[in-house]
Amino acid sequence: QKEVEQDPGPLSVPEGAIVSLNCTYSNSAFQYFMWYRQYSRKGPELLMYTYSSGNKEDGRFTAQVDKSSKYISLFIRDSQPSDSATYLCAMSAIWTPLVFGKGTRLSVIA
Amino acid sequence: NAGVTQTPKFQVLKTGQSMTLQCAQDMNHNSMYWYRQDPGMGLRLIYYSASEGTTDKGEVPNGYNVSRLNKREFSLRLESAAPSQTSVYFCASSVRTEQETQYFGPGTRLLVL
Repeated sequence: QKEVEQDPGPLSVPEGAIVSLNCTYSNSAFQYFMWYRQYSRKGPELLMYTYSSGNKEDGRFTAQVDKSSKYISLFIRDSQPSDSATYLCAMSAIWTPLVFGKGTRLSVIA
Repeated sequence: NAGVTQTPKFQVLKTGQSMTLQCAQDMNHNSMYWYRQDPGMGLRLIYYSASEGTTDKGEVPNGYNVSRLNKREFSLRLESAAPSQTSVYFCASSVRTEQETQYFGPGTRLLVL
C-alpha cells in the first residue's frame, strides 16, 4: 500500500460547481498536510497548509484533515476555469521530507 | 527575488551521455530537493539536502548524484543517461522548519534517446 493515495481523475466539472478532492494515507505520524496546485508545464505551488486535524479556509478553498480516518480533503467553491490544474496532496511527519500523492487533474468547463 | 531557478529548461541527451541540472534559490532556505515527475507516478523524491553539507537519498536515487555546492545551489548529475530517466525534473527548497513548506522551480524537461 502506498503511503499516500490520491485518485488521479481526471475530474471535469461545470463552472460554479463545488469540487471535492481527496487523499488517504497510512502513516499515522503525518502531522503536516498541504495541497499544491500545478498548472500545465509549471512547477507546483502551495495552495493550502494545515497542521494536524481540523479545517482551514482561504477564500473559495477549504482544506479539511481527519486524522482519525487518515483522510484529507480540499473543497473548491464556485469553481472557475482558472482552477483547471492538477492538485497534489502532500504530507509529512516532523523533520521528514514531504510525501506527495499522484495528483488529481481537474478541468472546470465554462 | 527570483525564488527557485533551474537550468536548463529543456535538454535532449543520447543514452550514455552525462549532464548536470542546476538549481539555485535566493530565499535563504536551508533545505533543497530534487524530484522527478512522470505521468501517473506523481512527484518522486530523488535526493534532498536538509542543510548545507548534507545530502540524503530519497525514493528513487539510482542513476543520480547530487552536490550541495553552497546554501543557494543544489545540482543533480546524471552520469550515464538512460531512456528511463526521461522525465520532468523539479528542484524545490524549504526553510526547514516543522512545516516543510516547499517552493518549486519551473522544472527541466529531459528527453533521453
